[in-house]
Amino acid sequence: SQQGEEDPQALSIQEGENATMNCSYKTSINNLQWYRQNSGRGLVHLILIRSNEREKHSGRLRVTLDTSKKSSSLLITASRAADTASYFCEYSGAGSYQLTFGKGTKLSVIP
Amino acid sequence: DTEVTQTPKHLVMGMTNKKSLKCEQHMGHRAMYWYKQKAKKPPELMFVYSYEKLSINESVPSRFSPECPNSSLLNLHLHALQPEDSALYLCASSHLGYRGRNTEAFFGQGTRLTVV
Repeated sequence: SQQGEEDPQALSIQEGENATMNCSYKTSINNLQWYRQNSGRGLVHLILIRSNEREKHSGRLRVTLDTSKKSSSLLITASRAADTASYFCEYSGAGSYQLTFGKGTKLSVIP
Repeated sequence: DTEVTQTPKHLVMGMTNKKSLKCEQHMGHRAMYWYKQKAKKPPELMFVYSYEKLSINESVPSRFSPECPNSSLLNLHLHALQPEDSALYLCASSHLGYRGRNTEAFFGQGTRLTVV
């Protein structure tokens, strides 16, 4: 599979600041999802954005998708210490079950 | 009930042992997945079942044998594993769209497997 790229690989910010993570991919996609993972346990779904959407919001989360650039970004506003986790994008190829995770961004929010 | 339940949470097994990982969901999802995750790496897809039939096998070695006995259960049978197979094994489930998965996937907490 063609693994997506995420940057930055690690991000350390102060509580209250905004955090932006990016995901780039190489194929045409059906949709793209963002997940959070705490301490190497299960993944929690955050937002799904479809290929015909450009932006979605959920609480303090904002996701954008630029299919011309094959990239997506996740913005967490007013970060909290509890947001400390690894964040992954996952995308599915158009018309298939091929599912690929990006490499992930490890976010540390310092109180 | 929006949970995917995986058992056991931890498993230590020898290279000659046979063990099974179990996964259960009661959300009516007809797609179920096994992923493998090594430390500090993203999850890697191993198998996909849709409507209880194996639809994707990502070239996984035969020492890993999946089974989907019904629409709520997914097993992963392990035999003659190697120490490098030690990892977190994640199960997930989702609804199916006509073009594959188009909804969120729900993940279990994983089974941390150590092969000695």
